[in-house]
Amino acid sequence: RKEVEQDPGPFNVPEGATVAFNCTYSNSASQSFFWYRQDCRKEPKLLMSVYSSGNEDGRFTAQLNRASQYISLLIRDSKLSDSATYLCVVNNQAGTALIFGKGTTLSVSS
Amino acid sequence: DADVTQTPRNRITKTGKRIMLECSQTKGHDRMYWYRQDPGLGLRLIYYSFDVKDINKGEISDGYSVSRQAQAKFSLSLESAIPNQTALYFCATSRRTGYGYTFGSGTRLTVV
Repeated sequence: RKEVEQDPGPFNVPEGATVAFNCTYSNSASQSFFWYRQDCRKEPKLLMSVYSSGNEDGRFTAQLNRASQYISLLIRDSKLSDSATYLCVVNNQAGTALIFGKGTTLSVSS
Repeated sequence: DADVTQTPRNRITKTGKRIMLECSQTKGHDRMYWYRQDPGLGLRLIYYSFDVKDINKGEISDGYSVSRQAQAKFSLSLESAIPNQTALYFCATSRRTGYGYTFGSGTRLTVV
């Protein structure tokens, strides 16, 4: 299994839709989990950390399943401005750096 | 001013030339990283540093070197640039393990 795997998409959804992204990771000892957002040709920006109990930030909900080594991101009531690439991120085996998935592309249309 | 500043923003260089990409930060973070991003390959770690005297190779360090001149400055050098080093390069900082990164705006490097 690759270290961090994501469905590349693209996901094309209308405004107002709910969309979910999934991610799997190979290192069972990983302790740090994040979702980043990257706009075209721009730097990745931290969207949210992912906690074991799951966490929510406005329209965004992140879930972690350690047993299945699976992370998810749910976006409710999609906005045009949500169009971007979403990167799933976990720490490496040594805990010294972060490993980035290749990203899932979301396109929200009116 | 940005928390993490990369220079130059764009650079075109010729094969065989030496080039340095610079990164400086005002966040006061000890940890600094260099990644490159290629279409379809995602972000890959080149080098990282936890303090001025600490330099570590990432997964793709061949052909690159780094210098941590101060806590706030971390430079990436390509000693003899080759076309497959054409990529988008990002510098990032973090407070410590378990914290996310803050990225610079990136340097778009083209080697011709």
